[in-house]
Amino acid sequence: GAVVSQHPSWVICKSGTSVKIECRSLDFQATTMFWYRQFPKQSLMLMATSNEGSKATYEQGVEKDKFLINHASLTLSTLTVTSAHPEDSSFYICSARHSPNYGYTFGSGTRLTVV
Amino acid sequence: GDSVTQMEGPVTLSEEAFLTINCTYTATGYPSLFWYVQYPGEGLQLLLKATKADDKGSNKGFEATYRKETTSFHLEKGSVQVSDSAVYFCALSAALSGGSYIPTFGRGTSLIVHP
Repeated sequence: GAVVSQHPSWVICKSGTSVKIECRSLDFQATTMFWYRQFPKQSLMLMATSNEGSKATYEQGVEKDKFLINHASLTLSTLTVTSAHPEDSSFYICSARHSPNYGYTFGSGTRLTVV
Repeated sequence: GDSVTQMEGPVTLSEEAFLTINCTYTATGYPSLFWYVQYPGEGLQLLLKATKADDKGSNKGFEATYRKETTSFHLEKGSVQVSDSAVYFCALSAALSGGSYIPTFGRGTSLIVHP
């Protein structure tokens, strides 16, 4: 149980275009999902907390107009990287918590490459 | 704020060697503690967890004991295999006001096991 599906696994896009990444909780409802960015050989950087039915909470330094988050249902959150640039190339990972103290289940990640 | 400190890697071992990856934390209250593993090119997977002091989490030969007196959660394995080569993240989850939980991750420790 507690499976989180993330799609796509990898994407290559042209500079200036937008890319949408989906994160789904397959067998549980997640009122809160988390979006992380991971730079090579570094830890996870929390970008934002996605809240079902309300606005996402962004961490300091993360541009909310650049990284649009929508959490329209209890099982789906999306992250859209708008007007992507090469510096946005990174590994993006979503996660959700099944229940208190259960631990966070992570999606398999999305490798974004902007050319 | 809450924080997690992990030993810097990479940790390089020969197969069947004993593994210890140190993790210490600072947190208010009584957090839950986790170890996650990330294999190359993949997302994070929960390896083990402990929710209260003196709890021992274990999985796949890995163990970690929640030590409140030393605020530590060191990861150990008696005999590592080449397939254990990955990045290991220590994390904590503490309740915030309002009942939400925000995870905090260490920087990750890369483990390289040679045949």
